[in-house]
Amino acid sequence: SQTIHQWPATLVQPVGSPLSLECTVEGTSNPNLYWYRQAAGRGLQLLFYSVGIGQISSEVPQNLSASRPQDRQFILSSKKLLLSDSGFYLCARTSGNAETQYFGPGTRLLVL
Amino acid sequence: GENVEQHPSTLSVQEGDSAVIKCTYSDSASNYFPWYKQELGKRPQLIIDIRSNVGEKKDQRIAVTLNKTAKHFSLHITETQPEDSAVYFCAATFYTGGFKTIFGAGTRLFVKA
Repeated sequence: SQTIHQWPATLVQPVGSPLSLECTVEGTSNPNLYWYRQAAGRGLQLLFYSVGIGQISSEVPQNLSASRPQDRQFILSSKKLLLSDSGFYLCARTSGNAETQYFGPGTRLLVL
Repeated sequence: GENVEQHPSTLSVQEGDSAVIKCTYSDSASNYFPWYKQELGKRPQLIIDIRSNVGEKKDQRIAVTLNKTAKHFSLHITETQPEDSAVYFCAATFYTGGFKTIFGAGTRLFVKA
């Protein structure tokens, strides 16, 4: 089966601190990978997507960055967190020629 | 840019009634339209999808319709049950060197017992 792992599940960080969220995928090769952010009670905002190792497309200019060091690993980072970075961060994947996106369990981030 | 509009933002129905959620999309290159259900604190889960070469698709109590000319698509839930209460997202996908999916803002559905 194809599984998506995200960690940590929950994170509380002070304003100005760095961030690193990790997403790994099992059971598929060369997936398209995505980072979304969902503010409380809101919709899904696409942040980054990647079609392969080292290939990152940024959708929203902000203080976040993404990297894909391995085929099945996608990392979301920040050098200095803002209060507005709080939210539910979801990693998603497609695989092969299929368009359907499947989501990981998410990381809930609270910036204080 | 690409955009998906979703209405209503909140919908309250009595158990057993039908619920309809409507979406419009802007990018005519979109050719795949998934619907997701998100329960409180959980990840979105795919419940049904439709491709641009199909006008309607049904799976038990849920159905989706697509009007490609008008760029409208809708989700219909019949015989609603309390466990249908959740947030529902429509989305439109197109290919741009990889699959890109744009989501609607979501509809919070309440089914009253």
